[in-house]
Amino acid sequence: DAKTTQPPSMDCAEGRAANLPCNHSTISGNEYVYWYRQIHSQGPQYIIHGLKNNETNEMASLIITEDRKSSTLILPHATLRDTAVYYCIVWAAVNKLTFGGGTRVLVKP
Amino acid sequence: DAGVTQSPTHLIKTRGQQVTLRCSPKSGHDTVSWYQQALGQGPQFIFQYYEEEERQRGNFPDRFSGHQFPNYSSELNVNALLLGDSALYLCASSPLGGRNSPLHFGNGTRLTVT
Repeated sequence: DAKTTQPPSMDCAEGRAANLPCNHSTISGNEYVYWYRQIHSQGPQYIIHGLKNNETNEMASLIITEDRKSSTLILPHATLRDTAVYYCIVWAAVNKLTFGGGTRVLVKP
Repeated sequence: DAGVTQSPTHLIKTRGQQVTLRCSPKSGHDTVSWYQQALGQGPQFIFQYYEEEERQRGNFPDRFSGHQFPNYSSELNVNALLLGDSALYLCASSPLGGRNSPLHFGNGTRLTVT
């Protein structure tokens, strides 16, 4: 599976959009981009995933560049409960996720 | 609809002992994976079970073994515990459907080895 690069940390103001970048320049054609988050003392929580097209669900939006070498997770209106570590993962192998260091997001009031 | 459940939530063992952790997958899921998460790091894949057999394995020694039962629940066994085995052990389940089926994680078992 391709490796990903994420900033180690970022702050966000409550009520504002949080834009989390991820680079995956070695992604191959059959690899999806997945985002999970992990709130302190809990297991990782699935957020969203995509292959080529932009995706949106009730939690977030995923923007994937046309060359698929990078993506951005958007939390439209961050709340204090969105404080967590966010993991960007590219995934082709069935049921085996390779987690990197993630981005530690702190939402401030 | 219960999600992935793990037991116990916390456990303290002594170096050299053996431990068994348990996992019940989300309803409708038949594949179980185990991950180890050391403090401050991302989860690391240990192995995956499907149809009661180990299908994939990460870079973990043979001291780590597992089992899957006919009802799809699973156990993770660790023998000859080392201090470095202290970690959060996560179980994840999914329907065997490939990359378009997100894994669902439990909240883990926190193992402390003293």
